[in-house]
Amino acid sequence: SYDLTQPPSVSVSPGQTASISCSGDRLGDKYASWYQQKPGQSPVMVIYQDKKRPSGIPERFSGSNSGNTATLTISGTQAMDEADYYCLARDSTTVVFGGGTKLTVL
Amino acid sequence: EVQLVESGGGLVQPGGSLRLSCAASGFTFSNYWMSWVRQAPGKGLEWVANIKQDGNEKNYVDSVKGRFTISRDNAKNSLFLQLNSLRAEDTAVYYCARDEAGDYNTEFHYWGQGTLVTVSS
Repeated sequence: SYDLTQPPSVSVSPGQTASISCSGDRLGDKYASWYQQKPGQSPVMVIYQDKKRPSGIPERFSGSNSGNTATLTISGTQAMDEADYYCLARDSTTVVFGGGTKLTVL
Repeated sequence: EVQLVESGGGLVQPGGSLRLSCAASGFTFSNYWMSWVRQAPGKGLEWVANIKQDGNEKNYVDSVKGRFTISRDNAKNSLFLQLNSLRAEDTAVYYCARDEAGDYNTEFHYWGQGTLVTVSS
């Protein structure tokens, strides 16, 4: 089975840049997407097809994907960005989520 | 406006069955793959199953193969998930999501609010 690995937690100071990684075998050959989930809410997609932003998602969210690692970057992180973040990729006919990363804005 | 509204969750005993529904509106339902995604309490997201536009292709995560069945009714803009032989570890919030499946990509632009399934005696 295909696995995606994320760090359990990342901390960042307000206004700084947060980077969340997602690792998988030859992940760069697949498309990655990223989801933000706040407590008690449904997930919201913040990046798709590696680096595209859905309408309504702030420009401070960006993505990249190369080799074995996809990265979600949040520039000028705000308190409202504190949430769990999940990466996703498809391997053949199976859809896989990473284990999730709790982003704390201290 | 795209809307996905799940229903059918509840408390069920181990070994029991449940049928989840997802009512879709605001888009041409028959043009899209659809998926179910679940989240156990305090845990991460887990993709469960998806179904092609015409219902002729279905895929499942290994842990539910042979127990869960995904289906759809395009005339009624509805997605379903039949859960059989339920186990405690199936306890989760189940989300319906519009699956933007392409040749190489899958992404979920729209999600429902989820319905809670609790498996317990």
